Amino acid sequence: NAGVTQTPKFRVLKTGQSMTLLCAQDMNHEYMYWYRQDPGMGLRLIHYSVGEGTTAKGEVPDGYNVSRLKKQNFLLGLESAAPSQTSVYFCASSYPEAGGERNEQFFGPGTRLTVL
Amino acid sequence: KNEVEQSPQNLTAQEGEFITINCSYSVGISALHWLQQHPGGGIVSLFMLSSGKKKHGRLIATINIQEKHSSLHITASHPRDSAVYICAVSFGYDMRFGAGTRLTVKP
Repeated sequence: NAGVTQTPKFRVLKTGQSMTLLCAQDMNHEYMYWYRQDPGMGLRLIHYSVGEGTTAKGEVPDGYNVSRLKKQNFLLGLESAAPSQTSVYFCASSYPEAGGERNEQFFGPGTRLTVL
Repeated sequence: KNEVEQSPQNLTAQEGEFITINCSYSVGISALHWLQQHPGGGIVSLFMLSSGKKKHGRLIATINIQEKHSSLHITASHPRDSAVYICAVSFGYDMRFGAGTRLTVKP
């Protein structure tokens, strides 16, 4: 099993450009998440999905959109990139605990994005 | 104020030392998580706990729900334990992370 994979690993964008980050998991997990990690700060949740076809906003959703058309894939889109979106982006997945609560998460390797 | 506070921010230890990293939180939670981020950037989940204590090898995690506090202990530390250790709390689908504790274990 590959676990959680992210594409691409690195990307440099110019302000105003758009791009899509792909997250894929082969563990049949229901829940998937997108986080960003900035120096000196903890990981922050951007968007999440509790199942195919469903998405919801996290702590810092502005400037991002997501889609979960297939259970194994979770896409994060930047429509018009800004320098403030320079960050390392992590995807994670988990299966629900009894009662729907979060369970142990499995993380992807991260995507380092620089917006000039 | 961050909902999850970790201390210390940085920690340097000699090989073999007993290490403690602390985590305090200010919100009601479903569970508390300890994660390890390797120097290369990869993140691994170490523990998820909602009460009491869990042990895995040389790592021990404890939580006191009443005091909203958790500790991660590493016994007989080794240079390969050098990493950033992250505390996080979950409530419903949401999750909040501490800024991490950078641990360096010297041989």
